[in-house]
Amino acid sequence: GEDVEQSLFLSVREGDSSVINCTYTDSSSTYLYWYKQEPGAGLQLLTYIFSNMDMKQDQRLTVLLNKKDKHLSLRIADTQTGDSAIYFCAEGGQTGANNLFFGTGTRLTVIP
Amino acid sequence: GAGVSQTPSNKVTEKGKYVELRCDPISGHTALYWYRQSLGQGPEFLIYFQGTGAADDSGLPNDRFFAVRPEGSVSTLKIQRTERGDSAVYLCASSPTRENTGELFFGEGSRLTVL
Repeated sequence: GEDVEQSLFLSVREGDSSVINCTYTDSSSTYLYWYKQEPGAGLQLLTYIFSNMDMKQDQRLTVLLNKKDKHLSLRIADTQTGDSAIYFCAEGGQTGANNLFFGTGTRLTVIP
Repeated sequence: GAGVSQTPSNKVTEKGKYVELRCDPISGHTALYWYRQSLGQGPEFLIYFQGTGAADDSGLPNDRFFAVRPEGSVSTLKIQRTERGDSAVYLCASSPTRENTGELFFGEGSRLTVL
């Protein structure tokens, strides 16, 4: 079955870059995703990348995909205290099957 | 409403009782999903509806769990003979179509505690 793994914790200083890593097992995934979960709020899609791309940039966010190694990363530039949250990597999105498989989440703490 | 609405936000029940959790998706979204999130874990897929029918219920852990969506909008997740291991946050999500980029719109969840 699908397995998505992430490290549990990351601490960075405000203004530094954060890099959150993820490995996955299902090579047939069409899309890979990063979701953000803030305390008391629902998960929110941050960004996604199509499996035939190796990089996607969206303002402060950069997603890198190494399909050969099944490795996905999310880089947040100029990390702010408002970025403190849990970040989930997810795979899925095959046509007609939208059930996503999530990692355990990485808790990002931004130190002022 | 503007977003996915779930009720109740918190439910405390005793072992062996029956529980219903409700999800009101974003208007017009045809796909609806239930996930379960245990403490310190990522969301775990339970069931997916396309319209009124359950397109994929492979994530339901056992036959104590059942979900319906009779009119293709509101969905109810039903748990019979609850056990302490059922304690978790139950998340509902919806999306506009069956085939999309996988953006799911999540509610804030229903936190179930089984004593």
